[in-house]
Amino acid sequence: AQRVTQPEKLLSVFKGAPVELKCNYSYSGSPELFWYVQYSRQRLQLLLRHISRESIKGFTADLNKGETSFHLKKPFAQEEDSAMYYCALNPSNTGKLIFGQGTTLQVKP
Amino acid sequence: GAVVSQHPSWVICKSGTSVKIECRSLDFQATTMFWYRQFPKQSLMLMATSNEGSKATYEQGVEKDKFLINHASLTLSTLTVTSAHPEDSSFYICSASPLATAGETQYFGPGTRLLVL
Repeated sequence: AQRVTQPEKLLSVFKGAPVELKCNYSYSGSPELFWYVQYSRQRLQLLLRHISRESIKGFTADLNKGETSFHLKKPFAQEEDSAMYYCALNPSNTGKLIFGQGTTLQVKP
Repeated sequence: GAVVSQHPSWVICKSGTSVKIECRSLDFQATTMFWYRQFPKQSLMLMATSNEGSKATYEQGVEKDKFLINHASLTLSTLTVTSAHPEDSSFYICSASPLATAGETQYFGPGTRLLVL
């Protein structure tokens, strides 16, 4: 079955601390994975995708096929990073995104 | 940047009535639009894929006669919740995928909150 799992509903860290939001997927093919972010009262927006291998707002995510994971990391969290983060899988490049349950990141001052 | 709008942003209706939600891509053309549903404190669940000029494809468990989708132009898709009932109350979000991106790139609307009394 195709599935995306984000085990943490809430992750609370202090400003300046490292952050890792976990994402595991279940997919038999070659996965196309994304991280989306939703700031308070704003729409969902793309943060990064694994194929571009880029760093956005200091966040990176590496696809680990062996562990079927795509964890999102940032070495030093900022208060403005507080938001809901969703990991998503695009199976067979169909665009029919399968979202994880989401993780709320709370960065405390 | 690419912007997707939804109208209305929220709607309250009586049980048994129908509600239409519009999704527009404001500055780009989209052959494909997607409709998601989000219950409180839950993730987004894909309901259907809307393709311009053809019938929508629905995900398993989504009633096509209940949720009518029309994608009449490259910038507009509509979702009509027919004979709405309280259990249809939810947050409905659309996304639009620009031409030639094959769904890889999606821009999301702000969502429409539906409350059925």
